[in-house]
Amino acid sequence: QSALTQPASVSGSPGQSITISCTGTSSDVGSYNLVSWYQQHPGKAPKLMIYEGSKRPSGVSNRFSGSKSGNTASLTISGLQAEDEADYYCCSYAGSTTWVFGGGTKVTVL
Amino acid sequence: QVQLVQSGSDLKKPGASVKVSCKASGYTFTSYAMNWVRQAPGQGLEWMGWINTNTGNPTYAQGFTGRFVFSLDTSVSTAYLQISSLKAEDTAVYYCARDSCSSTSCVPMDVWGKGTTVTVSS
Repeated sequence: QSALTQPASVSGSPGQSITISCTGTSSDVGSYNLVSWYQQHPGKAPKLMIYEGSKRPSGVSNRFSGSKSGNTASLTISGLQAEDEADYYCCSYAGSTTWVFGGGTKVTVL
Repeated sequence: QVQLVQSGSDLKKPGASVKVSCKASGYTFTSYAMNWVRQAPGQGLEWMGWINTNTGNPTYAQGFTGRFVFSLDTSVSTAYLQISSLKAEDTAVYYCARDSCSSTSCVPMDVWGKGTTVTVSS
């Protein structure tokens, strides 16, 4: 199972919106509405931000939104804030009770 | 509150074994599956597999078969990851993470332990 493809880095100024892409295949992202997104600050455990493609867990800001088109899922952060600077990972169900992560994207707030 | 408490950091020599624990509290342990995720230094997250906490049946991702074993002790709500014949490349932070998936919805890896650092060095 190959890792999903994410851009290595994305940056934006405070208040702007940024979008992180996550490209898989017809065997994972394209076949299931089961993409999740995780935020990880340095030295910390990952935190679930989006699940089932576009749903937010309780407590996650509505500035975070998810979508999917074909084999590519996306995470959009609107109203970018300094605290959003972190690594972000997508994850997709890949069939046969397995999951696959993306390589991760470093978000920098300029 | 719901939490997963992992064992402390460990330093091992090549060829040795290590057992990482993940103790759950605040919920019914056997109602949620448990995943294991590896993060090598400066690298991304790698899904290692999961264990059905109801049946004890493990599923391993490609690349994590043979030397890696998931197990449970449901009497103390604890999941374990054992790695044998350790190599330098096993040096990483290992996380446990709970799944909340059912036939109608799936919230994968919604609760995470803080991670256990395993260092393999002679």
